[in-house]
Amino acid sequence: AQKITQTQPGMFVQEKEAVTLDCTYDTSDQSYGLFWYKQPSSGEMIFLIYQGSYDEQNATEGRYSLNFQKARKSANLVISASQLGDSAMYFCAMRGSNDYKLSFGAGTTVTVRA
Amino acid sequence: SAVISQKPSRDICQRGTSLTIQCQVDSQVTMMFWYRQQPGQSLTLIATANQGSEATYESGFVIDKFPISRPNLTFSTLTVSNMSPEDSSIYLCSATWTSGIYNEQFFGPGTRLTVL
Repeated sequence: AQKITQTQPGMFVQEKEAVTLDCTYDTSDQSYGLFWYKQPSSGEMIFLIYQGSYDEQNATEGRYSLNFQKARKSANLVISASQLGDSAMYFCAMRGSNDYKLSFGAGTTVTVRA
Repeated sequence: SAVISQKPSRDICQRGTSLTIQCQVDSQVTMMFWYRQQPGQSLTLIATANQGSEATYESGFVIDKFPISRPNLTFSTLTVSNMSPEDSSIYLCSATWTSGIYNEQFFGPGTRLTVL
């Protein structure tokens, strides 16, 4: 079984500053993938970034980067230069190598202040 | 990448009725899934939609309540049957590939269902 833990229910960040969203996971799979999604109030799930368990380098996508620490089983998302449009719910998710089903964390609400 | 569309985008339904949600992907995908997001909650997997065969349901979800079809590699439907107010949720379709370089897993825009 896979478990995703996001311990920050909500965070406030000042515009143009960076914010780190925590995510820890637990799995017995040797090969797995970690995802981050953004869900604005409209409800759509926007894919942000992916990290494979065997990837040696941390994933980056524009202003998003994933701080992957395999030994600690953590996959924190860093959003740099926050913008007002970054205000949303953020979900960390994981899937194993066998069935491609995603397990989601509880989510973190980010509010960017002007 | 893939673009996923869902219809309807939202609906308000009466208790005891059924609603069928359609999911269309703009390219052939290997895997399709249906998730439910209850108000203020995270996403929970309902089932994996298997092409040409019965869907694989997660614990707590049954075919009589959530019948699913997947006639081809780009289309799936989810029916929410005999609805009750507890079924009020966002229902999301998801798709991915199992081979090649594509690791993304995409979601449709969701169907926001309210049951009165």
